[in-house]
Amino acid sequence: DVKVTQSSRYLVKRTGEKVFLECVQDMDHENMFWYRQDPGLGLRLIYFSYDVKMKEKGDIPEGYSVSREKKERFSLILESASTNQTSMYLCASQSRGIEQPQHFGDGTRLSIL
Amino acid sequence: ILNVEQSPQSLHVQEGDSTNFTCSFPSSNFYALHWYRWETAKSPEALFVMTLNGDEKKKGRISATLNTKEGYSYLYIKGSQPEDSATYLCAFDTWGNNRLAFGKGNQVVVIP
Repeated sequence: DVKVTQSSRYLVKRTGEKVFLECVQDMDHENMFWYRQDPGLGLRLIYFSYDVKMKEKGDIPEGYSVSREKKERFSLILESASTNQTSMYLCASQSRGIEQPQHFGDGTRLSIL
Repeated sequence: ILNVEQSPQSLHVQEGDSTNFTCSFPSSNFYALHWYRWETAKSPEALFVMTLNGDEKKKGRISATLNTKEGYSYLYIKGSQPEDSATYLCAFDTWGNNRLAFGKGNQVVVIP
């Protein structure tokens, strides 16, 4: 089974802090994604990556950056955390190909105080 | 941002009853339609990835159909059980690059 591991289930940070959310997958997938989930909204794509050192902006990239130095690891960075970034963050990985599903981590519930 | 609509937003179903709900998406530039089940305190789990018009897929008591020409997919649960309680997410791939646009989900509560 594919395993997507997010570093923390719950995280509390302060406004202005630099925050790192880590995601590791063990299936050699090319594609990796970061989403956020907020009440009343669908999953929204922040950034994604098709390969090492590649990154593409999603629908809501403002205030975030990403890093993919190794194939198995995709990091989401909040450069200067703000309260409106309090959310549930989900990482996913996927093998290349149109009929491939995405495999999700358990999520990180991030609170910015 | 693509508009993927799911209806109804939430529904309560009596145990043993069957139910269905709808995902609507833009019918142009279709590549794939995904369904996921997201149970509370767990990660979303893939149910189906559908690519062909008229496709029907089945997994246990859950099945899905796809109409790409009119832009909708139905998800059916036959003989609902309490373990079917979850949010069912629909997602649409219009670029053929695995970038998905998600709907808000159908929240299903099965009442014992």
